[in-house]
Amino acid sequence: GAVVSQHPSRVICKSGTSVKIECRSLDFQATTMFWYRQFPKQSLMLMATSNEGSKATYEQGVEKDKFLINHASLTLSTLTVTSAHPEDSSFYICSARSSGRDTQYFGPGTRLTVL
Amino acid sequence: TQLLEQSPQFLSIQEGENLTVYCNSSSVFSSLQWYRQEPGEGPVLLVTVVTGGEVKKLKRLTFQFGDARKDSSLHITAAQPGDTGLYLCAGGMGNYQLIWGAGTKLIIKP
Repeated sequence: GAVVSQHPSRVICKSGTSVKIECRSLDFQATTMFWYRQFPKQSLMLMATSNEGSKATYEQGVEKDKFLINHASLTLSTLTVTSAHPEDSSFYICSARSSGRDTQYFGPGTRLTVL
Repeated sequence: TQLLEQSPQFLSIQEGENLTVYCNSSSVFSSLQWYRQEPGEGPVLLVTVVTGGEVKKLKRLTFQFGDARKDSSLHITAAQPGDTGLYLCAGGMGNYQLIWGAGTKLIIKP
């Protein structure tokens, strides 16, 4: 149980284009979904928290107009990196939790490379 | 600012040795999670502990939650190359957010 999928696993795009990453909870309803960014050999950096049907809460320093988050249902959240630049290249990981629990279950991550 | 200090940050040992990773804080947590992450993949949950003093075992891995729920440890007995990875602890604050440790990069040499 508690499986989270993420798509795509890898994406390469040109500078200036937008990229959408999907995160799905496959066997449970995700009250809250989280988006993280991870730099090489470092821990996770929380970017934003989203609750189904509500606007996402962004961490300090994360541009909400650049990283658009939509949590349209209890099983799907999307992160759109708009007008991507090479400095946006990173490993993006989503996680999901169900109501009443602290534990987060993670997707496999998306490696974004912006040329 | 709530902090969760994880140590050591890097550990390289020979197969068969034992090791312990620590996570310490001045904050009280409602729960403590341990994850393992391999390169290019998302973190995988190993265990969640919620009760002060709780000990959980997962084969050769032993997890302990401190009595005051401010600290936790992960002990690996007879480490194997398959244990290699990044180990992350995360403390639950009861408001669905997690406070993350910096991670321990573990390498087990055959």
